Amino acid sequence: GAGVSQTPSNKVTEKGKYVELRCDPISGHTALYWYRQSLGQGPEFLIYFQGTGAADDSGLPNDRFFAVRPEGSVSTLKIQRTERGDSAVYLCASSLQGDAAEAFFGQGTRLTVV
Amino acid sequence: AQSVTQLDSHVSVSEGTPVLLRCNYSSSYSPSLFWYVQHPNKGLQLLLKYTSAATLVKGINGFEAEFKKSETSFHLTKPSAHMSDAAEYFCVVSERNTGRRALTFGSGTRLQVQP
Repeated sequence: GAGVSQTPSNKVTEKGKYVELRCDPISGHTALYWYRQSLGQGPEFLIYFQGTGAADDSGLPNDRFFAVRPEGSVSTLKIQRTERGDSAVYLCASSLQGDAAEAFFGQGTRLTVV
Repeated sequence: AQSVTQLDSHVSVSEGTPVLLRCNYSSSYSPSLFWYVQHPNKGLQLLLKYTSAATLVKGINGFEAEFKKSETSFHLTKPSAHMSDAAEYFCVVSERNTGRRALTFGSGTRLQVQP
């Protein structure tokens, strides 16, 4: 596609529910990144994929968070037993190879846990 | 460990006057440094980057930044502000030579441009 696409753009869920956030990277980009941006803060790194594998998941805050990229293209960030503190904008980025400096960001999914 | 500190959470300037957004970094290795801009309801956009070449880096829309190792600074400047420059700006550091791919963002500086 023309850019990184994230769906939905907004998601409201109840505390304790499960949510999935989707990222469609730029076609041909092998590297994919997830970041989380809380209100008034800069984005924080969550996880980095190179192809299908998670090369660095050191930013995932706890085991309620999980991400997959089964075919090396679309990625899904999954959050179990959501908490109000999970409310944030979740950003996805992709790059042609593994250069984070060349990454293009999507517009994000705003998750609100009520 | 790497980190960045953006010294001002808000900066307000008049249209046509200079812009200065301040950033200090901390890095155990030779860092790569970047400035990103985020307009409301739009994705993050790379303004410019420093990757150990020239210390004065020119970016898009007339912005530039100077890498000063002795001061561990990477301040963003523009000679003359435009109304369209109003946005959130993030200073970012990366330790690429460690193999780590994560970008570390500062907390952001909101730039207001008054007419």
